[in-house]
Amino acid sequence: DVVMTQSPLSLPVTLGQPASMSCRSSQSLVHSDGNTYLNWYQQRPGQSPRRLIYNVSNRDSGVPDRFSGSGSGTDFTLKISEVEAEDVGVYYCMQTTHLPPLTFGQGTRLEIK
Amino acid sequence: EVQLVESGGGLVQPGGSLRLSCAASGFTFSDHWMNWVRQAPGKGPVWVSHIFGDGRTTNYADSVKGRFTISRDNAKNMLYLQMNSLRVEDTGVYYCVRDTRGPDFWGQGALVTVSS
Repeated sequence: DVVMTQSPLSLPVTLGQPASMSCRSSQSLVHSDGNTYLNWYQQRPGQSPRRLIYNVSNRDSGVPDRFSGSGSGTDFTLKISEVEAEDVGVYYCMQTTHLPPLTFGQGTRLEIK
Repeated sequence: EVQLVESGGGLVQPGGSLRLSCAASGFTFSDHWMNWVRQAPGKGPVWVSHIFGDGRTTNYADSVKGRFTISRDNAKNMLYLQMNSLRVEDTGVYYCVRDTRGPDFWGQGALVTVSS
């Protein structure tokens, strides 16, 4: 199984400042079809997860453009350009290149300083 | 509007069974793989199972293989998860999740508690 490792586990950020979190996979996520199936999810307190980014860098409909994804191979990053109060929650990366199983990272908890 | 509504959760003793249901609306159900993902209290999500759009192909996490069965009824826009031989470690919120280039839209979840 592909192991997804996120860092940091806790990310305190000042409102209006940028935030960056990392996700690393135990093997390359480049699929034989040439695509890289790495997604990012946001889970606000008490809510279901919501997908923000698919295929490394594509924002889902309705996701603010302050969220951006990047990376390749085994190293990926989610960035928030200017953190807002509504961004508080846990962020998970997940791969669907090598399945089954689909695997999630352990999460990065974003909090406001 | 896409909606996924889970039902069937509850309290069950170890070794017992439960059947979860998920009612889908707002999209062409048969066009999408569907997933079950669970989340233990205070933990991250863990994928449980998925089923292709035509219902012919299914996959399971090793931890539930042989105990859980995923199925769907495309005529009724329903997804199911039959859970047998439940263990304490199966406790958590079970989410029905649509798949579009990977899991995208999540239901609100159904709580399953396995305890004596």
